[in-house]
Amino acid sequence: QKEVEQDPGPLSVPEGAIVSLNCTYSNSAFQYFMWYRQYSRKGPELLMYTYSSGNKEDGRFTAQVDKSSKYISLFIRDSQPSDSATYLCAMSGNFNKFYFGSGTKLNVKP
Amino acid sequence: NAGVTQTPKFRVLKTGQSMTLLCAQDMNHEYMYWYRQDPGMGLRLIHYSVGEGTTAKGEVPDGYNVSRLKKQNFLLGLESAAPSQTSVYFCASKKLADLYNEQFFGPGTRLTVL
Repeated sequence: QKEVEQDPGPLSVPEGAIVSLNCTYSNSAFQYFMWYRQYSRKGPELLMYTYSSGNKEDGRFTAQVDKSSKYISLFIRDSQPSDSATYLCAMSGNFNKFYFGSGTKLNVKP
Repeated sequence: NAGVTQTPKFRVLKTGQSMTLLCAQDMNHEYMYWYRQDPGMGLRLIHYSVGEGTTAKGEVPDGYNVSRLKKQNFLLGLESAAPSQTSVYFCASKKLADLYNEQFFGPGTRLTVL
């Protein structure tokens, strides 16, 4: 069983839609949770960071962590064509090693 | 400030050949990482380093070696390339004490092993 599971999509939505991206994990020691955005043929870039359980909001993006269910989510409100990318969840139990999901490819249609 | 750079950007190898991928960062970061990215598999950690002169194995270390002789450089070596090592390789670096635990990634190296 992989440490982190993520639906690969692809996910196609119209502009303005609310997007929900999710990951599940098996290691209860994970306490740092991140979402990275990766445009085609580029390296990933950090989008959101959450420590332990709870919600975090940054503009149109909201990250949620439910440690009791081992489930994390990223919500994108008012999605834009520029949001079209692959979204990778990542998590860690310390500051050393990180475990990534397989990525969900999102396409926002104008 | 170039961030994280990777050399080369593309490479085609024949089975059994060797090569070294170079990662350089100019942010004075303590941590450096090598990942491979394959379709449907996400990013998988090959090796990482928490400081100059130290390295550790990640999830998929077999067939690879690394060295961190200088703080700014992290080398990934393939001694005898195999087709299973065809992948996109990403290097990343991270500051030791960072509020957001952020890794900064390079642009990637696309490697094909025939």
